[in-house]
Amino acid sequence: NAGVTQTPKFQVLKTGQSMTLQCAQDMNHEYMSWYRQDPGMGLRLIHYSVGAGITDQGEVPNGYNVSRSTTEDFPLRLLSAAPSQTSVYFCASRYGPGDPQYFGPGTRLLVL
Amino acid sequence: KNQVEQSPQSLIILEGKNCTLQCNYTVSPFSNLRWYKQDTGRGPVSLTIMTFSENTKSNGRYTATLDADTKQSSLHITASQLSDSASYICVVYKSGGSYIPTFGRGTSLIVHP
Repeated sequence: NAGVTQTPKFQVLKTGQSMTLQCAQDMNHEYMSWYRQDPGMGLRLIHYSVGAGITDQGEVPNGYNVSRSTTEDFPLRLLSAAPSQTSVYFCASRYGPGDPQYFGPGTRLLVL
Repeated sequence: KNQVEQSPQSLIILEGKNCTLQCNYTVSPFSNLRWYKQDTGRGPVSLTIMTFSENTKSNGRYTATLDADTKQSSLHITASQLSDSASYICVVYKSGGSYIPTFGRGTSLIVHP
């Protein structure tokens, strides 16, 4: 199993550009989440999904969209990038609500 | 205000020494608490889970404790190794619904030879 994969590993954007961060898992997990990690702060939940077709907002959802058309994929879309979205983004999945989360390797995003 | 507080923020120890990391939380209602290890440049990896009824749980050289009454947890690392250098993150999960986690800011541990 590849586990949780994320692409790209690194990305530089200009303010106002849009892009999609890809996340895929091959463990048949129902629960998937997107987090951002900033220096000196804990991981913060952006959006999450409890199954295909079901998504909900987390702690910091503004400026991001998600969709979950399949169990395997959970892309995160930045609608109009801002410098405040410079961060490391992690995708995670888990089988059920009480199970451990498996994290991807992260995407490092710089918005100029 | 962060509902999960970790201390110390950073810690430097010599290889072979023991250390203890602390986690205090106010998250309620409580479901479980996990400790994750995050190596530099990688995603976090789960080390151990503590549920309400558990006091102590070990995973190799890692031993976690939980006092649900005082809402405190600790992670003890025995006979530290260079590979233990990482950030250790305490995560508390609420019960009910989708069990949204609350992350602490982590303790950065550096093990020197």
